Amino acid sequence: QVQLVESGGGLVKPGGSLRLSCAASGFTFSDSYMTWIRQGPGKGLEWISYISGSSTYTRYADSVKGRFTVSRDNSKNSLYLQINSLRAEDTAMYYCARVGLWFVLDVWGQGTTVTVSS
Amino acid sequence: EIVLTQSPDILSLSPGERATLSCRANQNVSSSYLAWYQQKGGQAPRLLIYSASSRATGIPDRFSGSGSGTEFTLTISRLEPEDFAVYYCQQYGSSPIYSFGQGTKLEIK
Repeated sequence: QVQLVESGGGLVKPGGSLRLSCAASGFTFSDSYMTWIRQGPGKGLEWISYISGSSTYTRYADSVKGRFTVSRDNSKNSLYLQINSLRAEDTAMYYCARVGLWFVLDVWGQGTTVTVSS
Repeated sequence: EIVLTQSPDILSLSPGERATLSCRANQNVSSSYLAWYQQKGGQAPRLLIYSASSRATGIPDRFSGSGSGTEFTLTISRLEPEDFAVYYCQQYGSSPIYSFGQGTKLEIK
C-alpha cells in the first residue's frame, strides 16, 4: 500500500545538524512532488519545504531558508531533509507528505521527532 | 502572504450534534486549492476535503466542505465519537506555498 516512513530524528544540541529521511513505497515516487511539514509540541502545522519529482524545483519557508536543504533520490524512493544550525524552536515532529492532485497533501508519514536541547 | 484563521479555537459538542468549523483567509484563495485535514492525538494529519468541497477517498459523507473566496466551512452533520479531533484548513498558492490555519479542536461536551 501507499506508505511513507520517516527516520533520522533525535536529540541534538543547538547548532547541530541532522539528516531526516523519508522512505516511500506503493506509488511512483519519481512522479510525485513531496513536502516536509513540522509540528512543534502542542502547536499547529507548519510547511517547511517542497521538492518537485525531478528535483528541479525546491522551495522553503522563510523560517528555515538557508539552514534546511531538501533533496531526493528517486532510485531509492527516498526523500531527505538536511537540517543545520539547529535552534530550540526547530524542536518538532517532522512529517513528510506526498503532494497529490490539486496540490493537497494526500499521504503522510508517521513523523520523526527532532529535539534541540543542550 | 495568505493567513488562514480558523474559528472557533475550541468547539465543544456532543455526539449526534452538527459541527460547523470556519476558515477565513486574509485574501482570496482559489477554491481548487483549499483543503481540510483531521488530526487525532499522536497521529499524522489525514486529508478530509480537497478543492473546498470534495471528499477524499474513504471519508464518510457526514463530512462536507463549502465556501469560496475568503470564507470556507467544514461541516460534520452528525458527530460520531471518532470525529473528536483537531481540524486544520490549508491553502496552496503563493508564498508561502502552503499555509495552515491554527486549528480547531473539536472536543466532547
